[in-house]
Amino acid sequence: DSGVTQTPKHLITATGQRVTLRCSPRSGDLSVYWYQQSLDQGLQFLIQYYNGEERAKGNILERFSAQQFPDLHSELNLSSLELGDSALYFCASSVGPAGSSGANVLTFGAGSRLTVL
Amino acid sequence: AQTVTQSQPEMSVQEAETVTLSCTYDTSENNYYLFWYKQPPSRQMILVIRQEAYKQQNATENRFSVNFQKAAKSFSLKISDSQLGDTAMYFCAFMKGRGGANSKLTFGKGITLSVRP
Repeated sequence: DSGVTQTPKHLITATGQRVTLRCSPRSGDLSVYWYQQSLDQGLQFLIQYYNGEERAKGNILERFSAQQFPDLHSELNLSSLELGDSALYFCASSVGPAGSSGANVLTFGAGSRLTVL
Repeated sequence: AQTVTQSQPEMSVQEAETVTLSCTYDTSENNYYLFWYKQPPSRQMILVIRQEAYKQQNATENRFSVNFQKAAKSFSLKISDSQLGDTAMYFCAFMKGRGGANSKLTFGKGITLSVRP
């Protein structure tokens, strides 16, 4: 167990629907990252939050949004789902400020596998 | 922008032998970290080893070691005494800076390693 908890583990839904993926970071970690892993695109960075604020944005579609709550858990919302959104979505967390122990190590959750039919 | 290239899609090695996985990267940064992550069939992303760019000494973790050539922007992973449990996909990854609030990972496309009994 990495300490990063992602729910649900598996999700099957239909095109056009909306889903929410949830991530609880390791205790004490301030940063949360979302990655998408699909067969043809590899691991793509979507978005990062640090202590509730958006810090970096990658190849995240406008149909996708995320937020980090005061208790530091994060949610990734995927809407108007398309077949191509089927993928494994990873959340990762890391410890806070630069210079702190482990600040440069991302710990990954087990992922949420989304299947869009 | 940083790029990470893993040009070998697949490799195979006999149990107990040594194998080297290649990775090159491109960056204009001077401070950065490099990582190898392992993704076994369970799909969990597991940190194997990390290297700080300002350290000339190559990192080692038990049977895993790296050959870090900063001028050549090369970062290969050597696995000694390969074990069946090493069968996995291996990702090379780059992190700009020294960690903290802006520490996302950029991944290569990965290499599938099979260890033969």
